[in-house]
Amino acid sequence: NAGVTQTPKFQVLKTGQSMTLQCAQDMNHNSMYWYRQDPGMGLRLIYYSASEGTTDKGEVPNGYNVSRLNKREFSLRLESAAPSQTSVYFCASSPTSGGPPYEQYFGPGTRLTVT
Amino acid sequence: GESVGLHLPTLSVQEGDNSIINCAYSNSASDYFIWYKQESGKGPQFIIDIRSNMDKRQGQRVTVLLNKTVKHLSLQIAATQPGDSAVYFCAEINTGTASKLTFGTGTRLQVTL
Repeated sequence: NAGVTQTPKFQVLKTGQSMTLQCAQDMNHNSMYWYRQDPGMGLRLIYYSASEGTTDKGEVPNGYNVSRLNKREFSLRLESAAPSQTSVYFCASSPTSGGPPYEQYFGPGTRLTVT
Repeated sequence: GESVGLHLPTLSVQEGDNSIINCAYSNSASDYFIWYKQESGKGPQFIIDIRSNMDKRQGQRVTVLLNKTVKHLSLQIAATQPGDSAVYFCAEINTGTASKLTFGTGTRLQVTL
């Protein structure tokens, strides 16, 4: 099992450009999450999908959109990138949302720089 | 708002010594905690978890202690090895409200030879 995979690993965008970060999991998990990680700050939840067909806003959703394409895949889209979105983005999955087990499994991350 | 934090941003430990990484949490309703390890350039990895009905839980070379009275969590690593060098952070959740995990900022553990 590959676990949680993310593409791309690195990306540089110019302000105003758009892009989609891809995430896939092969653990048959119901729930998937997108976080951003900034220096000196903990992981902050952008959006999550408790189950296929549902998505909900997290702590910092502004400037992002998500799509739960199917049970395996959960993408994050930046429609018009801003320098404030420079960060490392992590996708995670868990068997369920709001119920045990609560452990989340993380992908390797995408390092995004917006100039 | 509710938050999870850490006392020390960087901890330097000699190889072979024991490491203790601390975490303070402010949400007294949190009843489940996880410690994650994040190596440079990688995603966080689960280390160990503990429920609030326990004071201590042991894994392989790691022990988590929970003091609910002072809302304090610690991760002890025995015989620290160079491979233990990473950022460690705790996460909490109030399972009764089906809330999401809240993550702390992390402590960097540096293992010196």
